[in-house]
Amino acid sequence: QSVLTQPPSASGTPGQRVTISCSGRSSNIGDNSVNWYQQFPGTAPKLLIYSDNQRPSGVPDRVSGSKSGTSASLAISGLQSDDEADYYCSAWDDRLNGVVFGGGTKLIVL
Amino acid sequence: EVQLLQSGGGLVQPGGSLRLSCEASGFTFSGVALSWVRQAPGQGLEWVSSISGGSGRGSINVFYANSVKGRVTISRDNSKNTLNLQLNSLRVEDTAVYYCAKALRSYSPLDYWGQGTLVTVSS
Repeated sequence: QSVLTQPPSASGTPGQRVTISCSGRSSNIGDNSVNWYQQFPGTAPKLLIYSDNQRPSGVPDRVSGSKSGTSASLAISGLQSDDEADYYCSAWDDRLNGVVFGGGTKLIVL
Repeated sequence: EVQLLQSGGGLVQPGGSLRLSCEASGFTFSGVALSWVRQAPGQGLEWVSSISGGSGRGSINVFYANSVKGRVTISRDNSKNTLNLQLNSLRVEDTAVYYCAKALRSYSPLDYWGQGTLVTVSS
């Protein structure tokens, strides 16, 4: 059981906009920044969004993040087949004194 | 270019021990917090441990997940730009790919990751 809650899957067709939700509590998302990671099978995760809505260099602006209270969302617009991957939300948890992750969402491009 | 090169891992029997290492380059190692994250086969990411930047025992903070507390020790050797994870009293459920990662700021987010190393605990 993951500390942060994500839907197990999401899907969309090429060109569409999809969102992935992430729900937590005050000790993690409520009081700390949310980060999102993208992972392809057999490879290490890659930082996609940090500090709720900041994109590292190289991440296209069709990828965005937002946060409200104890929930966060990742949005990908102009969906491409290359976006098919697993996505994880994460934050520091002040109560657990550690990093917590969501269970991951498998994004399927139909 | 930031690189995290992992070594160690392999097959070990339940109750056994293993040491993972992560050699870093491309950034000022001593000032950066580092973490270990694992991923069991077919499962999601699970944070294992973090160590603060700094040097000297008095100035370094370490944190462990409850699932490994008391069985795992994280350490860093700033002279060798190396992060270590000592795994003891290993259990079947510790079987996973273990990743080392560096923090962008404080302990999160994790902006660079190692290639991962597989630890298999089986008799």
